Amino acid sequence: GIQVEQSPPDLILQEGANSTLRCNFSDSVNNLQWFHQNPWGQLINLFYIPSGTKQNGRLSATTVATERYSLLYISSSQTTDSGVYFCAAFTGNQFYFGTGTSLTVIP
Amino acid sequence: DVKVTQSSRYLVKRTGEKVFLECVQDMDHENMFWYRQDPGLGLRLIYFSYDVKMKEKGDIPEGYSVSREKKERFSLILESASTNQTSMYLCASNSPAGGYEQYFGPGTRLTVT
Repeated sequence: GIQVEQSPPDLILQEGANSTLRCNFSDSVNNLQWFHQNPWGQLINLFYIPSGTKQNGRLSATTVATERYSLLYISSSQTTDSGVYFCAAFTGNQFYFGTGTSLTVIP
Repeated sequence: DVKVTQSSRYLVKRTGEKVFLECVQDMDHENMFWYRQDPGLGLRLIYFSYDVKMKEKGDIPEGYSVSREKKERFSLILESASTNQTSMYLCASNSPAGGYEQYFGPGTRLTVT
């Protein structure tokens, strides 16, 4: 399988700050997704982004498939953004998950 | 909206019990998956299925079995629960027609005492 690496592993932000989370993957993929795991453990879809750029409110994501990385941008962070962010790459018939970035937004 | 539901949010079972975790999706997805998530170990694939009555082992199938008798339902079975199977269990589904966009259920926190 492929390797999926996320950075940074932990991030603490003051409310209102911006941040960039990175996901590197070791081979070509068919699909790249970003998820937010809420305090109850559910993985919420943020972006389905095999290539290009998408925006949804304060969040946006960019995947450069040829260079094998994806970025998740969070602007004007809020305390409700806290949690773990995972990227996952789909190739063959399996998803490969990164180990996540744990984000804490403090008021 | 795609909806993936799991039969229980929290479950407490005794060692040696047979445990059934049920997952249902409502979007006619061909592919369904069972993962477990443990602190420090991330998400690990237990089993997946790409069609009715078809199943494939994932990375950690030992101690588990699965059943897929209907397209919308994928069951995870712990034949004889052990304390090291205490974990968060997550079900997911996707479809080639949807570009393999993965959708997760709310998860089941299983405690085996």
